[in-house]
Amino acid sequence: ILNVEQSPQSLHVQEGDSTNFTCSFPSSNFYALHWYRWETAKSPEALFVMTLNGDEKKKGRISATLNTKEGYSYLYIKGSQPEDSATYLCAFMFDSGAGSYQLTFGKGTKLSVIP
Amino acid sequence: EAGVTQFPSHSVIEKGQTVTLRCDPISGHDNLYWYRRVMGKEIKFLLHFVKESKQDESGMPNNRFLAERTGGTYSTLKVQPAELEDSGVYFCASSQGRGPYYEQYFGPGTRLTVT
Repeated sequence: ILNVEQSPQSLHVQEGDSTNFTCSFPSSNFYALHWYRWETAKSPEALFVMTLNGDEKKKGRISATLNTKEGYSYLYIKGSQPEDSATYLCAFMFDSGAGSYQLTFGKGTKLSVIP
Repeated sequence: EAGVTQFPSHSVIEKGQTVTLRCDPISGHDNLYWYRRVMGKEIKFLLHFVKESKQDESGMPNNRFLAERTGGTYSTLKVQPAELEDSGVYFCASSQGRGPYYEQYFGPGTRLTVT
């Protein structure tokens, strides 16, 4: 059973603060790690697909890093805005052995940005 | 380009009834996935289609769940008969390729409540 852990479970920050959260995943048989941003009742939106150890990716004020040897990824948000309020999900991609790659999700970090 | 669409957005049924969920993937995406999120838990993989073929159905909970993708376009997921523990949000996703580096584009989900 693969375990993908995200911390913290929830987070409240003031507008303008920078914040970060963690995703831990198995360090063996690594293929890719996906980050999603999800607002309830909307489609989870893909943020990053991270594949190589040491990867750093950036989209606007959001960035992510990847350490496959120790099995963790950090997501950073610089200068949080109320519209950043959402649940941030990470998903570990693994080979199911059935000719398919499955996403195994963490429970997410729910971010609330207070104006 | 239209995203992944799902119908209905909500469904409330009684235990023992049948419900059919529909997913329309992004046009041209051969790979279609179903996932489920039970309240308070992580999103979990159910199955993966490549065109009209089931590539991996290892996540399907039991034989009350039947997924089809006739013609390799839209897909349906039928639950018959529904049980209380089937309540949750059912997501559909599609991707261009089946490898680990391809983004999976998610629909907004169908929220199923079994009473």
